[in-house]
Amino acid sequence: EAQVTQNPRYLITVTGKKLTVTCSQNMNHEYMSWYRQDPGLGLRQIYYSMNVEVTDKGDVPEGYKVSRKEKRNFPLILESPSPNQTSLYFCASSHHSGARLGTDTQYFGPGTRLTVL
Amino acid sequence: AQTVTQSQPEMSVQEAETVTLSCTYDTSENNYYLFWYKQPPSRQMILVIRQEAYKQQNATENRFSVNFQKAAKSFSLKISDSQLGDTAMYFCAFMKARQSSGDKLTFGTGTRLAVRP
Repeated sequence: EAQVTQNPRYLITVTGKKLTVTCSQNMNHEYMSWYRQDPGLGLRQIYYSMNVEVTDKGDVPEGYKVSRKEKRNFPLILESPSPNQTSLYFCASSHHSGARLGTDTQYFGPGTRLTVL
Repeated sequence: AQTVTQSQPEMSVQEAETVTLSCTYDTSENNYYLFWYKQPPSRQMILVIRQEAYKQQNATENRFSVNFQKAAKSFSLKISDSQLGDTAMYFCAFMKARQSSGDKLTFGTGTRLAVRP
């Protein structure tokens, strides 16, 4: 079954304690992306990756890191979480290289609810 | 930069009736895609319908249809024969057709739809 998985689904942590949210897709997609969802703001892009070892900032990258060592995985790293990073996080992937016209459907993971105390 | 505006934070509809959710966007691009995503209480992001800007014909998917007005930069979603399972948050989203940043989606702030039995 084609899917994007995220772990953990729920996480409560404390300020400053490093954490990683994993994202994995089984569709051989080149493009992967992280969004955060906040009430009244919709979803905003944090980071994205066009392919292995190619990552770049989205609209709200401050306080986050990512890596893309393998095509299927795109972890989101919070080195020193703060309460303003309490949010719902989504990973998404699609089969798109950015070099051609047209786009394929983006597949979203189930979301990770993060609370930073 | 693109912006997407959903001016109706909440809406309610009686089961079996029709409801229209509004979305406007601002862009200087000529080629782009528009999407409606549904987010039920499970938080999963589900693609409802998509529209290519170069197509004049409005997209339809079963009970879901759009009214795409390119000149007015309007992209409303009509849900016919509303069902209880349609209760969800609905997000309008925009994507440039060709961009160096891959398949970035720009989301509106969402409309929460409640279907009354």
